[in-house]
Amino acid sequence: NAGVIQTPRHKVTGKGQEATLWCEPISGHSAVFWYRQTIVQGLEFLTYFRNQAPIDDSGMPKERFSAQMPNQSHSTLKIQSTQPQDSAVYLCASSLDQDTQYFGPGTRLLVL
Amino acid sequence: QQQVRQSSQSLTVWEGETAILNCSYENSAFDYFPWYQQFPGEGPALLIAIRSVSDKKEDGRFTIFFNKREKNLSLHIKDSQPGDSATYFCAASEGGSGYNKLTFGKGTVLLVSP
Repeated sequence: NAGVIQTPRHKVTGKGQEATLWCEPISGHSAVFWYRQTIVQGLEFLTYFRNQAPIDDSGMPKERFSAQMPNQSHSTLKIQSTQPQDSAVYLCASSLDQDTQYFGPGTRLLVL
Repeated sequence: QQQVRQSSQSLTVWEGETAILNCSYENSAFDYFPWYQQFPGEGPALLIAIRSVSDKKEDGRFTIFFNKREKNLSLHIKDSQPGDSATYFCAASEGGSGYNKLTFGKGTVLLVSP
């Protein structure tokens, strides 16, 4: 049984370009979470979906960041007009119950 | 203000010793506390978790001791092995219905020397 799949594993973009990150949750899991990991800030919650509906986006930067979950098999995190400070590892997690979250390997984004 | 705080950025122990990683929290509404283990280049993996109604949870070599009154908890890794060298994150989430986001500490880098 495959775990959470994230693509691409690495992405390099130029400042001002758009970046789209993909997440495929574990089959049957009804919740998908996005987190961002940096050396300085650590692991920070961004947003999450339950049964494809957006539930909490309190951690999302108000501008340039958006997330969607068009179907139960994938979610996307889009960053418009990327900035160097967006460089981070973006982690997706999925959950079947109310507690246990299973993380993917992350997408390492580097904005030059 | 950090809601979940891990007291040590790094910890070194000898193989066979017990490693103790400490964590404290601010939010009284937190009631679920997982510890995650992360190796370089990988995502965090759930190691062991405890609910606030318990004061101890054991799973093999890993034990969580929880003190609700003091708002702190610790992860004990018995008989530490070099393969346990990794970054350990203490996390917390609030109770209530539905799924809950995790709030993480900054992590403790554990090095187990052979």
